[in-house]
Amino acid sequence: AQSVTQPDIHITVSEGASLELRCNYSYGATPYLFWYVQSPGQGLQLLLKYFSGDTLVQGIKGFEAEFKRSQSSFNLRKPSVHWSDAAEYFCAVGGRTGTASKLTFGTGTRLQVTL
Amino acid sequence: EPEVTQTPSHQVTQMGQEVILRCVPISNHLYFYWYRQILGQKVEFLVSFYNNEISEKSEIFDDQFSVERPDGSNFTLKIRSTKLEDSAMYFCASRAGTGSETQYFGPGTRLLVL
Repeated sequence: AQSVTQPDIHITVSEGASLELRCNYSYGATPYLFWYVQSPGQGLQLLLKYFSGDTLVQGIKGFEAEFKRSQSSFNLRKPSVHWSDAAEYFCAVGGRTGTASKLTFGTGTRLQVTL
Repeated sequence: EPEVTQTPSHQVTQMGQEVILRCVPISNHLYFYWYRQILGQKVEFLVSFYNNEISEKSEIFDDQFSVERPDGSNFTLKIRSTKLEDSAMYFCASRAGTGSETQYFGPGTRLLVL
């Protein structure tokens, strides 16, 4: 069964500081990996995704993530955080088998940005 | 840019009542999903729908739940007899098709069962 672990429930960083949010997944083969962001009371917005190819993927809002197969990780990074980045971040894994490809989400990491 | 829309944004209902949550997926998308997020918890898969039938469902999706695509644009989730524990944010998502694995989510419907 596929699963996602986000070990950090809550992270606080200063505006302008760098950010790394951790994500570890469990899946029997090469997965599809996603990062979504959810602002308070809002829906889920796709930040970036990894399907294949280059293991460093770029997303919107200056975010990037690196797929490391050996570590079963897909950590999200941003070199300089802005106050508007405060939100909840969800890592998700999707399967490559079958037609449905449901997403399995992690528990999320709440990012707080101090000025 | 095309987006998934959901109505209503909020719904309050009494325990035991039926509710229907509505979604309009992105046009030409073929795969449709419902997820839910209980307050403070992670997003959980409920059901996927393709070619007018359920592809996969989770253990949460019991006989009280049903999905339908009544016409070419709407995708609905019905809860026949709501329970207190059905209170959650319900998200609809759609995906274009094989070779396009990104699911696009709607803004959600917040359901409160009293």
